[in-house]
Amino acid sequence: EVQLVESGGGLVQPGGSLRLSCAASGFTFSSYWMSWVRQAPGKGLEWVANIKQDGSEKYYVDSVKGRFTISRDNAKNSVYLQMNSLRVEDTAVYYCARDRTFASWGQGTLVTVSS
Amino acid sequence: EIVMTQSPATLSVSPGERATLSCRASQSFSSNLAWHQQKPGQAPRLLIYGASTRATGIPARFSGSGSGTEFTLTISSLQSEDFAVYYCQQYNTWPYTFGQGTKLEI
Repeated sequence: EVQLVESGGGLVQPGGSLRLSCAASGFTFSSYWMSWVRQAPGKGLEWVANIKQDGSEKYYVDSVKGRFTISRDNAKNSVYLQMNSLRVEDTAVYYCARDRTFASWGQGTLVTVSS
Repeated sequence: EIVMTQSPATLSVSPGERATLSCRASQSFSSNLAWHQQKPGQAPRLLIYGASTRATGIPARFSGSGSGTEFTLTISSLQSEDFAVYYCQQYNTWPYTFGQGTKLEI
């Protein structure tokens, strides 16, 4: 069974940093693109970033470019999202998802940016 | 950026009826289109990818069609568990984009 478990969310002040982690199991992690998608409270879904199987390609939505960094460790079956210079508008549930089609989703981790 | 527009925003239907949800893209592409279902308090779930291929474990009452700029999700006979929000999503071009969602309600 495919499982994706996010962690690392919490309350942070504007300008602060957080690192989200997503632990994967139940599939050959190194064979898949991995993605982060977020959902602000009461809003729709927004793709944030994704990373190729070997980490050689990374793509970001414009609103997070230069602030967020996606990475992965295939030995640990994990993908990460380093979030710096956080803004109030980054407040959302952050989901990790498998593949470019978001074939499987984690349960999400809440990031709240507030003073 | 490809803008995805879903219609209607809300669709009121009864159990057993057929529901047709639409998704329009601002630029044409072939079939890199997915549909996701989200119930309150839950993570989304992939229903359809490649515009028309059901994901693993998805019932046959869900079907997808379309290409170019017009895509459709059809639920042939609504069950109580189908009342949720549905999102289309293109993965043809970065940035990947979602529609704003269609809420299916009784």
